[in-house]
Amino acid sequence: ELKVEQNPLFLSMQEGKNYTIYCNYSTTSDRLYWYRQDPGKSLESLFVLLSNGAVKQEGRLMASLDTKARLSTLHITAAVHDLSATYFCAGPGSSNTGKLIFGQGTTLQVKP
Amino acid sequence: AAGVIQSPRHLIKEKRETATLKCYPIPRHDTVYWYQQGPGQDPQFLISFYEKMQSDKGSIPDRFSAQQFSDYHSELNMSSLELGDSALYFCASSLVGGGWETQYFGPGTRLLVL
Repeated sequence: ELKVEQNPLFLSMQEGKNYTIYCNYSTTSDRLYWYRQDPGKSLESLFVLLSNGAVKQEGRLMASLDTKARLSTLHITAAVHDLSATYFCAGPGSSNTGKLIFGQGTTLQVKP
Repeated sequence: AAGVIQSPRHLIKEKRETATLKCYPIPRHDTVYWYQQGPGQDPQFLISFYEKMQSDKGSIPDRFSAQQFSDYHSELNMSSLELGDSALYFCASSLVGGGWETQYFGPGTRLLVL
């Protein structure tokens, strides 16, 4: 079954800095999802990456997918405090049913 | 826009009791998923339904059962509750359509078993 690993698991950064979260997955997949979760809250969909080379951007966040390397990245540009949250990547655990297998999550703390 | 609705939002139960969690998917969505998230953990898939039929099953204990009704709402029934069942339970819905599109998550039900 698909395994998803994120790196790093915890990230503390200063406002205004850039950083990248990495998401590796174990088996071939043509899609990858990124979600954001605030403490005790629901999961908010950020990006759906549906093909090799896909790149999507929303504000200070940009996600990309390399299916050959089985790698997705979430790049944070000029971080602000409001981006503090836990970010999960997830891949399809089944080609037939759509269930998601999540990475461990990366907790991002942006300090003023 | 309408979102996924879950009820109750919080639930406190004693060991060995029973709990029922409800999920109302986004209108016209045909697939419902249930996930369990323990403290500090990633969400774990439990079970899913497509067009009212069970479509997949994950690491769901035999003490748990679920179904999707004719109006597409779903219920997760949990019996003989254990302390380890304390977690956030999320329901998500999607419209399969031509492919596996985004799953939209509900606010979750926080279950505490004492």
